Amino acid sequence: TQLLEQSPQFLSIQEGENLTVYCNSSSVFSSLQWYRQEPGEGPVLLVTVVTGGEVKKLKRLTFQFGDARKDSSLHITAAQPGDTGLYLCAGALMKTSYDKVIFGPGTSLSVIP
Amino acid sequence: DTGVSQDPRHKITKRGQNVTFRCDPISEHNRLYWYRQTLGQGPEFLTYFQNEAQLEKSRLLSDRFSAERPKGSFSTLEIQRTEQGDSAMYLCASSVQGVHYGYTFGSGTRLTVV
Repeated sequence: TQLLEQSPQFLSIQEGENLTVYCNSSSVFSSLQWYRQEPGEGPVLLVTVVTGGEVKKLKRLTFQFGDARKDSSLHITAAQPGDTGLYLCAGALMKTSYDKVIFGPGTSLSVIP
Repeated sequence: DTGVSQDPRHKITKRGQNVTFRCDPISEHNRLYWYRQTLGQGPEFLTYFQNEAQLEKSRLLSDRFSAERPKGSFSTLEIQRTEQGDSAMYLCASSVQGVHYGYTFGSGTRLTVV
């Protein structure tokens, strides 16, 4: 079974705090993507990480891909209310014709002003 | 090109009726995907097209679901004899070759079966 787990499921923090959310699997991925989704909208791509151990920064967001390419983390520094949303990780599995992407259940983040 | 467009945004239908959704991908994208998302869950893969060819269909998809992508442009997803369990957000995404570029999602179609 190919399964992506995310933790925590829900997170409510005060503006200005730091946080980390995690994405874990027993499967190896060729790449891993992070998306943010707002209510009633489709997910929006934040970043793609490809190499084991890779770290990417997007303003206050830092993404890391595990060395074994089975897990990833997203760290947000000084969270703002605009960061509120559902954070989804998605892993790309190698297949013969294309890289199938499976999604985790998401971490719902609420940043309180 | 303003992105992936889905129509309608919302659909309410009675159980047993047929519904059809449309997706217009980004014109340069040859890959198109349909996902379904229920409340509190991540998107669940339904089917994948490369140009006009449907290359994969989820085993979770019953025979009541069918998707087409004529001429490799827009795509339609039809659900026949809808059931209450079909209520969900149906998301369409497109991409260029190489998943490293990520998917561009539409805003989705929210289906409610009453």
